[in-house]
Amino acid sequence: GQNIDQPTEMTATEGAIVQINCTYQTSGFNGLFWYQQHAGEAPTFLSYNVLDGLEEKGRFSSFLSRSKGYSYLLLKELQMKDSASYLCAVLDSNYQLIWGAGTKLIIKP
Amino acid sequence: DAMVIQNPRYQVTQFGKPVTLSCSQTLNHNVMYWYQQKSSQAPKLLFHYYDKDFNNEADTPDNFQSRRPNTSFCFLDIRSPGLGDAAMYLCATSRDSGGADTQYFGPGTRLTVL
Repeated sequence: GQNIDQPTEMTATEGAIVQINCTYQTSGFNGLFWYQQHAGEAPTFLSYNVLDGLEEKGRFSSFLSRSKGYSYLLLKELQMKDSASYLCAVLDSNYQLIWGAGTKLIIKP
Repeated sequence: DAMVIQNPRYQVTQFGKPVTLSCSQTLNHNVMYWYQQKSSQAPKLLFHYYDKDFNNEADTPDNFQSRRPNTSFCFLDIRSPGLGDAAMYLCATSRDSGGADTQYFGPGTRLTVL
């Protein structure tokens, strides 16, 4: 079966750095997405990785290792507005998006 | 601004009473998706349209139907809502489904079944 694993919940402090991990086992791989979802709202696109390595976009960076079936989302200089769920999703060989259940990130002052 | 619009944002229906959720997009994307998302769970794909071609997920209940009368609009019909159908329903679009195109989501409709 296809599986995406990410921690259920993480807590971090305002101004700090947090890394949210995602491991996946899918039938084929055509890229990995990270989405941010605030409570009661729709997911919004953060990043897309298809090649190994680190992609940096402002305070957010996303890393991919295809050989390890592993990705992480790195959030720097955390702000209170970063409190949200972060969803990892993988495009499989049929270009179907396989979703993780999301990591709820709680930011404390 | 180009966007994905869902109406209504909140919908309350009674057990067994048919309900229709709507989605429209100004992105001119070929593909439209309907997802169901329950609290603290991953979005679950119900079906998607590539242009007019309808693709139903194998485990989507028959209670859920969809219509796409034109490129811009897509509807989700729940014929006889049960208590278990209370969820957030997300509409998304992408330019193409045969590639790694990003999916863009509407704000969602939260369905309550009484």
